Formats: sequence, C-alpha cells, structure tokens
Amino acid sequence: DAGVTQSPTHLIKTRGQQVTLRCSPKSGHDTVSWYQQALGQGPQFIFQYYEEEERQRGNFPDRFSGHQFPNYSSELNVNALLLGDSALYLCASSLLAVETDTQYFGPGTRLTVL
Amino acid sequence: AQSVTQPDIHITVSEGASLELRCNYSYGATPYLFWYVQSPGQGLQLLLKYFSGDTLVQGIKGFEAEFKRSQSSFNLRKPSVHWSDAAEYFCAVGPRSNDYKLSFGAGTTVTVRA
Repeated sequence: DAGVTQSPTHLIKTRGQQVTLRCSPKSGHDTVSWYQQALGQGPQFIFQYYEEEERQRGNFPDRFSGHQFPNYSSELNVNALLLGDSALYLCASSLLAVETDTQYFGPGTRLTVL
Repeated sequence: AQSVTQPDIHITVSEGASLELRCNYSYGATPYLFWYVQSPGQGLQLLLKYFSGDTLVQGIKGFEAEFKRSQSSFNLRKPSVHWSDAAEYFCAVGPRSNDYKLSFGAGTTVTVRA
C-alpha cells in the first residue's frame, strides 16, 4: 500500500520564478492538504482540497494556489517566488468520510529560493 | 482559535532513560490531538492520536500519551529511549467540524546520548 508521495524531492529556484509541486495521496484517500514548514518551525497550513475544490485556506497570499485532479492527486503552485518561500512543503492526505480523519504526510519537497 | 504550545525546544536524554515531551493546547471544544515525529530531512510520521475515550493512548515505537483535560495537556512519554528516537517531535490539534487543518506546535528536538 503506497503512502503519500511527493515530487520533486528538492528544487532550487530564483526570486520571481514560479514553481509547481506535486502530491499523490495515500491509496483510498480523497482529501489533500498542503503545509509549509520553515526551518526550525512547525508546519503551517496552506490549504486543503476535496472534490477538486479548495475547501479551506490558511493565511497565505494568493501567490499560493493549488489544484486537485479527478484521481485525487494535487499540485501546489507558487508564483513570484520570494526568498521567504524557502521551506519544506508537505502534502498530507486523509479520507473525508471519517470525521476523525487522520492526516498522513509525505516526505516533502525542499524548495530553496535564491 | 486553536493553538499548541510545546514548552521545550530541545531535550537531551541518555539512551535507556525515560522521556517526556510536553504539549499544551488551546481549543474551544474537545480536541483531537496528535503526536508526529520527523527525522532529519524527512516528512512527518504519526506516532499516536487521541479522539475520545481512554485518556491514555498507545502509539507506535513504544510511545504513549496522556490527555488531561483539566491541564489542557497531551504529554508524550517513552519509558526507555533508543538512539533511533533522536528526532523532532510535533504535537498538533484538529481537525474538527468546519476547521479541517492541523495546528502544530513549534516542535521539540530530542537528542539521545550514548
């Protein structure tokens, strides 16, 4: 049973560029959440997708956008990259039908903005 | 608004000694509580979770946690640590009702000395 997978593992971009990160949820899961983890901090919620719609959004600017596909996989897009966007980006999947849903995390994508 | 405090930034413990990591939460209702562990350069692995019922919950790798409503705490314990327990540990609260995100503490780094 495959867990949550993310690609790429590492990414280096320069300021002003755009980036796309990808996530495949755990088998049987239909909901994907994205988190940003800056160095030395806990993960911060970016947004959650269910049924190809953004269901909830955290305190992140519109430069951060996402998408969920019919197969439940998801993308995170960040436009006009800033140095402060350098972080580990974590994807988590869960099953909406269970109220006490548990989020399972992928290994993350390390984004470095130069 | 929900929040989590982990008072200890860094704990050093000898191999074979007991470990306790503190977690305090602020939440308007009965919380769902989680402990995750993150090894260097890795994603988050779920150790255990509390939804309701028995306030002492058992997790993987020999960890347990106790929910104390009167103290708004959910402390993580292990009777005898192994060198492989060196990692960063995060306490989280949520999701619940119409708030789907996990809110994390800042984490506690555990160093295990021989």
